[in-house]
Amino acid sequence: AQSVTQLDSQVPVFEEAPVELRCNYSSSVSVYLFWYVQYPNQGLQLLLKYLSGSTLVKGINGFEAEFNKSQTSFHLRKPSVHISDTAEYFCAVSSGSSNTGKLIFGQGTTLQVKP
Amino acid sequence: GAGVSQSPRYKVAKRGQDVALRCDPISGHVSLFWYQQALGQGPEFLTYFQNEAQLDKSGLPSDRFFAERPEGSVSTLKIQRTQQEDSAVYLCASSTPLGLLFTQYFGPGTRLLVL
Repeated sequence: AQSVTQLDSQVPVFEEAPVELRCNYSSSVSVYLFWYVQYPNQGLQLLLKYLSGSTLVKGINGFEAEFNKSQTSFHLRKPSVHISDTAEYFCAVSSGSSNTGKLIFGQGTTLQVKP
Repeated sequence: GAGVSQSPRYKVAKRGQDVALRCDPISGHVSLFWYQQALGQGPEFLTYFQNEAQLDKSGLPSDRFFAERPEGSVSTLKIQRTQQEDSAVYLCASSTPLGLLFTQYFGPGTRLLVL
């Protein structure tokens, strides 16, 4: 069975500082990996996804993530955060052998950007 | 264009009542997913439709949960005899599958509180 672990439940950081949100997954088959952001009282919005090819994936709002197969990780990074980045971030995995594409989510990481 | 919409946005039900939650996917999207998000948790898969066919209902927690999409567009998630543990945000997502290279677009969710 697949699972996703987000190693930090909360990450406080000052504005303009870099940030890394950690995600590890477990799967016995090939996977597709995703990062979603959820602002208060809103649905999830896709930040970026890894399907194949280059292991460094760039997304919206200046975020990027690196797929590391040997470490089964897909950490999200941003070199300089803004107050507006304060939100809940979810890492998710979808099995490459799935015929539905259903997503398995981690528990989420709350990014708190302080002025 | 219009995104995924869900109604009602908030629902308070007394234990034992039946509820119906509606999802309007993005026009033309073939795939439709329902997820349940408990407080402080990541979303958990409930069920998946491709057009009107319910291809995966492995995540439905009990036989009190029922979903339908009779004409392949709007979907309804029905919960019978609601229990307090059903309190959660119910998220709907839709996508246009291009093989497996698709993005799920999420609605804002319906927050259900069972008293």
